[in-house]
Amino acid sequence: GAVVSQHPSRVICKSGTSVKIECRSLDFQATTMFWYRQFPKQSLMLMATSNEGSKATYEQGVEKDKFLINHASLTLSTLTVTSAHPEDSSFYICSARSEGTWETQYFGPGTRLLVL
Amino acid sequence: KQEVTQIPAALSVPEGENLVLNCSFTDSAIYNLQWFRQDPGKGLTSLLLIQSSQREQTSGRLNASLDKSSGRSTLYIAASQPGDSATYLCAVFSSGSARQLTFGSGTQLTVLP
Repeated sequence: GAVVSQHPSRVICKSGTSVKIECRSLDFQATTMFWYRQFPKQSLMLMATSNEGSKATYEQGVEKDKFLINHASLTLSTLTVTSAHPEDSSFYICSARSEGTWETQYFGPGTRLLVL
Repeated sequence: KQEVTQIPAALSVPEGENLVLNCSFTDSAIYNLQWFRQDPGKGLTSLLLIQSSQREQTSGRLNASLDKSSGRSTLYIAASQPGDSATYLCAVFSSGSARQLTFGSGTQLTVLP
């Protein structure tokens, strides 16, 4: 099956700093990528959907100026958490799908963010 | 807006028992439904995907059913093992302009040796 990677797998940062998380599709072209956030013992909540070469579409309640998403190529999307605060500590998971198989999403292994 | 509910939130069973996890969704206009497994601190592992036209899918000791009209799905695990301990997530792929996955809150399963 298709493989999606995320980097880093875990990051600890100080409050006020910015953190960038990468999501890569390793063996297919991802025309659409999704970013989810998961708080402890809760389900995945969709943050935003990004299509290659265009601006991301954010879900209600997600601040686009705080969570910057770039999907500049068909294999890479990045999520930058700007001026991170402790309440941003969470598990961030990306997923990707290709144009030809739009019903199927492939998930990355997730990135654990801890803001001190 | 699609809403997905999973019951129970947590379940603890002795090894060897057969068990059923439940998932319900509010909007029956779906393309497919998926069951995932998530181990602590890890990503998602897809277990079974049922297309809207199907009623069930089987993989080894797992069987998932789908009743789209009533908005329900079940995941049946036969002869449970301690290695089955994980959180099981149900996700619905909605049709229409949204075309996105909506996840339930999961059932945390513990299989006791």
